[in-house]
Amino acid sequence: EDKVVQSPLSLVVHEGDTVTLNCSYEVTNFRSLLWYKQEKKAPTFLFMLTSSGIEKKSGRLSSILDKKELFSILNITATQTGDSAIYLCAVVNNQGGKLIFGQGTELSVKP
Amino acid sequence: DTGVSQDPRHKITKRGQNVTFRCDPISEHNRLYWYRQTLGQGPEFLTYFQNEAQLEKSRLLSDRFSAERPKGSFSTLEIQRTEQGDSAMYLCASSLAVTGGSPLHFGNGTRLTVT
Repeated sequence: EDKVVQSPLSLVVHEGDTVTLNCSYEVTNFRSLLWYKQEKKAPTFLFMLTSSGIEKKSGRLSSILDKKELFSILNITATQTGDSAIYLCAVVNNQGGKLIFGQGTELSVKP
Repeated sequence: DTGVSQDPRHKITKRGQNVTFRCDPISEHNRLYWYRQTLGQGPEFLTYFQNEAQLEKSRLLSDRFSAERPKGSFSTLEIQRTEQGDSAMYLCASSLAVTGGSPLHFGNGTRLTVT
């Protein structure tokens, strides 16, 4: 059965710190891996990764995929209190369009 | 607002009652998904449609749950004979079915409380 595991489950840092969130997966016929940020309501899309070793970057956030070792990381540099959220990792297989989510990492950034 | 819209935002119901939720996807999106999320967990897949066809339904989904997308636009999710374990956030999402895939865009959800 397809599975996504995120670590750590929760993390508390101070403003300005750099954090790395981890996502490992087991999926049959992998197609893509996605990262979402969830504050109080709807998850909002951050990145979609399909190829190994190619970093995707948006401002202070970046992510990379390793298809050989079956994991991805999400980096946030110079964290701000507005980065406090749950970060969700999800994978898609080639058999359909559904996302399979991990449990999420709850990040809390203290001033 | 051209995002995914869900109604109602909150629903409180008594055990045994039926409830129905509505989702309006982004207009040009042909795929529509339903997920359920409980505290401390990631969203759990329930079912999805491409246009009006229901293409997949979770094996874990009870027969009390049914979803429709009659004209390939909005969708409804009905839960019959609700149980306390049905209390959760129900999220709807939509996407375009394209080669290589496209990200899902989520609505703000319907929070169901079964008393």
